[in-house]
Amino acid sequence: RKEVEQDPGPFNVPEGATVAFNCTYSNSASQSFFWYRQDCRKEPKLLMSVYSSGNEDGRFTAQLNRASQYISLLIRDSKLSDSATYLCVVNGDNTDKLIFGTGTRLQVFP
Amino acid sequence: GAVVSQHPSWVICKSGTSVKIECRSLDFQATTMFWYRQFPKQSLMLMATSNEGSKATYEQGVEKDKFLINHASLTLSTLTVTSAHPEDSSFYICSAREIGGTGELFFGEGSRLTVL
Repeated sequence: RKEVEQDPGPFNVPEGATVAFNCTYSNSASQSFFWYRQDCRKEPKLLMSVYSSGNEDGRFTAQLNRASQYISLLIRDSKLSDSATYLCVVNGDNTDKLIFGTGTRLQVFP
Repeated sequence: GAVVSQHPSWVICKSGTSVKIECRSLDFQATTMFWYRQFPKQSLMLMATSNEGSKATYEQGVEKDKFLINHASLTLSTLTVTSAHPEDSSFYICSAREIGGTGELFFGEGSRLTVL
């Protein structure tokens, strides 16, 4: 089983749609969770950290379910500029080592 | 936010040559930097953790004699791909975490290596 698993997509959605991505992780000892965004041929950039109580940043909402070991990202009112690959990231055996999922590709169309 | 600069952005080299990639934290200091490799349509794979003033820690399956890492100062880490072969062609990305910062990892722009 992969340490971090994501549906690769692509998710093709119209502008204004709401879309959700899930990610599962295998290490129950993981403590830190993040969503990164990566545009084609670019470096990843932090979108948001994921907190136990769930957190929201504008149109983006992240949730953590420790019992089931999954993380979700909800994007409301999708914009064309949201088109990118969204990477689920979890810390590994120690807080310095981050494990990346393969990413979920989102394509928002007009 | 903090800036991490990588150089070169892209490089094409002949098989058997060595290529050096630099990773600099421009406005902060980092005792630890990380080197990742990303093949097309795959996730970032951590290759090694670069520690300032000491030896790098390599992930399982990564040859330390092939991928030489030097972290000579708190703002610079270098990755040298020695005797590069076509299968080493990939996107190499570094990241750094600011000493005493929020814990966020800042990534360099990445270096695309093509070995002919």
